[in-house]
Amino acid sequence: DIQMTQSPSFLSASVGDRVTINCKASQNINRYLNWYQQKLGEAPKLLIYNANSLQTGIPSRFSGSGSGTDFTLTISSLQPEDVATYFCLQHNSWPWTFGGGTKLELK
Amino acid sequence: QVNLLQSGAALVKPGASVKLSCKASGYTFTDYYIHWVKQSHGKSLEWIGYINPNSGYTNYNEKFKSKATLTVDKSTNTAYMELSRLTSEDSATYYCTRHRLRRGLDYWGQGVMVTVSS
Repeated sequence: DIQMTQSPSFLSASVGDRVTINCKASQNINRYLNWYQQKLGEAPKLLIYNANSLQTGIPSRFSGSGSGTDFTLTISSLQPEDVATYFCLQHNSWPWTFGGGTKLELK
Repeated sequence: QVNLLQSGAALVKPGASVKLSCKASGYTFTDYYIHWVKQSHGKSLEWIGYINPNSGYTNYNEKFKSKATLTVDKSTNTAYMELSRLTSEDSATYYCTRHRLRRGLDYWGQGVMVTVSS
């Protein structure tokens, strides 16, 4: 199975900060990496698909980059409503696997 | 709009089985695979498997092959997951989610909490 190592596990930042979250795959997954936002008590919401494509309706302050084994989710200017846990998902190889999550809080 | 409506929370006894449902609306049910995902302790996510609603073909994570059975009812646009021989390790929130080809999982159900307790 492909292991997805997500970092950091926890992140505290201020409104307006630039925030980056990373996912590292244990082997090449090309660009088949998605990012999800999960607010407390809610289902995950797709933010970015295939490493860098913004899902319809998602604010442009969210962006993704990377390919192969190293990927980054960036929030260009953190907003209060961005408080959530963020997950990555590799959908290159079965079984699909998720990162361990990054809990983002406001400082 | 796309909606995946899951059945309500379940409290089940150890050793029993439970069948979860996921009713799809807002799109053509047979055009997209349905996947199921387990979330334990509000944190980690595990992919269980998927079903092709058109053909009934299934693909399971090896870890869940003896635990989960995926089926669909095309007449009601509903996907099901039955979990068998439940233990406390199966207590979790389970999500159904739609697979858009080449884009991974896009829409998710609201999740259903399964609690295994005597």
